[in-house]
Amino acid sequence: QQQVKQSPQSLIVQKGGIPIINCAYENTAFDYFPWYQQFPGKGPALLIAIRPDVSEKKEGRFTISFNKSAKQFSLHIMDSQPGDSATYFCAASSMGAQKLVFGQGTRLTINP
Amino acid sequence: NAGVTQTPKFRILKIGQSMTLQCTQDMNHNYMYWYRQDPGMGLKLIYYSVGAGITDKGEVPNGYNVSRSTTEDFPLRLELAAPSQTSVYFCASSLGLAGVQETQYFGPGTRLLVL
Repeated sequence: QQQVKQSPQSLIVQKGGIPIINCAYENTAFDYFPWYQQFPGKGPALLIAIRPDVSEKKEGRFTISFNKSAKQFSLHIMDSQPGDSATYFCAASSMGAQKLVFGQGTRLTINP
Repeated sequence: NAGVTQTPKFRILKIGQSMTLQCTQDMNHNYMYWYRQDPGMGLKLIYYSVGAGITDKGEVPNGYNVSRSTTEDFPLRLELAAPSQTSVYFCASSLGLAGVQETQYFGPGTRLLVL
């Protein structure tokens, strides 16, 4: 019940396309859903996060869509660029939790 | 601020050897974490600490030990290295609880190869 399932494991998109990465969870107590971005040879860094009181959050070209009833959330990257090539992790936690639960990660490649 | 620093960047160990992975943060964060990252497996929490002198196990603690004598430092100890511990290890810190939306800041990682 503490798992967050992420898909796909890898994704290749042409420049300008809109990659979509999906995550699903079971624990209805989860109320914080961040996405982390990791470039090769670096540690993950927070990209964008959402709480379940909104269905969508945008920051620049990155958008999180949240479906509370389906217990799913997804990351969309508009006008994707080769510089967006990285591994993306979704995560979740609940109020008072001391830990984040991470998804398995998606390796995204944007071809020029 | 340097953020979260980790040493060494890369290490090769022989089976049965011991080593300590160092982690230091200069942000005065209360919470610190150790993760391991295996290909296609995401980030698995090994140990975490909510403050100096307080540590707790994560998902995969077997084969590891930690201590937290200061706010800044959170070393990870491998006592008897095994090939299954070949991985990339990340240290992270946060000001407060994950559940109150506190960002976790990650170090650059230590790549460990056990042969």
